Amino acid sequence: QKEVEQNSGPLSVPEGAIASLNCTYSDRGSQSFFWYRQYSGKSPELIMSIYSNGDKEDGRFTAQLNKASQYVSLLIRDSQPSDSATYLCAVRSGGYNKLIFGAGTRLAVHP
Amino acid sequence: DARVTQTPRHKVTEMGQEVTMRCQPILGHNTVFWYRQTMMQGLELLAYFRNRAPLDDSGMPKDRFSAEMPDATLATLKIQPSEPRDSAVYFCASGLVPRGVLKRDSSYEQYFGPGTRLTVT
Repeated sequence: QKEVEQNSGPLSVPEGAIASLNCTYSDRGSQSFFWYRQYSGKSPELIMSIYSNGDKEDGRFTAQLNKASQYVSLLIRDSQPSDSATYLCAVRSGGYNKLIFGAGTRLAVHP
Repeated sequence: DARVTQTPRHKVTEMGQEVTMRCQPILGHNTVFWYRQTMMQGLELLAYFRNRAPLDDSGMPKDRFSAEMPDATLATLKIQPSEPRDSAVYFCASGLVPRGVLKRDSSYEQYFGPGTRLTVT
């Protein structure tokens, strides 16, 4: 079983819709959770971090964390074609900064 | 404009040659990570430094890879000898973990450099 799992996609949504990206993790002791966006041929860019159960909003992005279910999600409201990218979920476990990355979900927003 | 820099951005080399990749972390950051990304394996952690000391290099093939931090502004990743299976994009990332027990939520964020695209023929 992979430590961090994501649906590889592609997830296709129309412009203006809500895109919902999901991630599950296996280590119940995980403490910090991150979403990175990676455009083709570019490096991962940190867009959201979440540490406590519940929702965290930043502009059009909302991260949701449910530690009991070992589940973290990213909602993108009013999706734009410029949001088309691969979204990587990353989880920190243990005492160090070490992050475990999922394989990523490819999002395609079509006009 | 604080960002992680990496050189070279692209490297094409022949099998058996030595490859050295360099990374300059964000000024003031005390943790540095080396990752490798391929289509098949995704993003894999190779090595991790904190305050220039290597803390974890379990993801790195020890016989041919080595990682060092000669000073706080430079991290290096070397491959000797290189092999075609080493072809990948290598990313460096840096972060700041404050000293002491009290840590802010942003303590464990990592910021990536642009990467070095390595092709070994």
